[in-house]
Amino acid sequence: DTEVTQTPKHLVMGMTNKKSLKCEQHMGHRAMYWYKQKAKKPPELMFVYSYEKLSINESVPSRFSPECPNSSLLNLHLHALQPEDSALYLCASTRGQNTNYGYTFGSGTRLTVV
Amino acid sequence: AQSVTQLGSHVSVSEGALVLLRCNYSSSVPPYLFWYVQYPNQGLQLLLKYTSAATLVKGINGFEAEFKKSETSFHLTKPSAHMSDAAEYFCAVSDVRGSTLGRLYFGRGTQLTVWP
Repeated sequence: DTEVTQTPKHLVMGMTNKKSLKCEQHMGHRAMYWYKQKAKKPPELMFVYSYEKLSINESVPSRFSPECPNSSLLNLHLHALQPEDSALYLCASTRGQNTNYGYTFGSGTRLTVV
Repeated sequence: AQSVTQLGSHVSVSEGALVLLRCNYSSSVPPYLFWYVQYPNQGLQLLLKYTSAATLVKGINGFEAEFKKSETSFHLTKPSAHMSDAAEYFCAVSDVRGSTLGRLYFGRGTQLTVWP
């Protein structure tokens, strides 16, 4: 299995909703990442988990809450989002702690906040 | 600090023509460099990477890139464009080498259009 699987593929939520994005990989990668990508822009790093511990938080608003329950699973909990949070949310993973092998990306969750 | 500059946000070529996408990097250490491709509504797929071995790197789908330290460049080329190559291409640099936790810095991307 050489994939990163993200669910759901599409999500529409209201500003008062609570929802979660899920990311799963079975490649034994020990670093996992959340990125946010707006249209026609490069991905922006949000969070990095290394060995199931939060290593980097790029000053992301608290309405985004990451969770790494085990080495294969990464969640992103969403609450009270704003319309400007609408974007493609990408999960990625790397072998070990370094990026030198390159990331493996999931296909993303297209989030629309209404 | 590491950074990547992609020259040209849009590149258009005819099918069968040479593809050249430009990337220049800035890095305080010998870099690891990457090219990714993104098709509409998809995630990013790794095309190729430079990790200090051969300076000419071959990737998937007939793409290759040459690391030129003197020019701080890592341009992506393909001899003959195909319609299926139309996509967004991102150049990226890793901020550390070795086993220390690092992150990728992406360029702004280049949209490749291929005309029939």
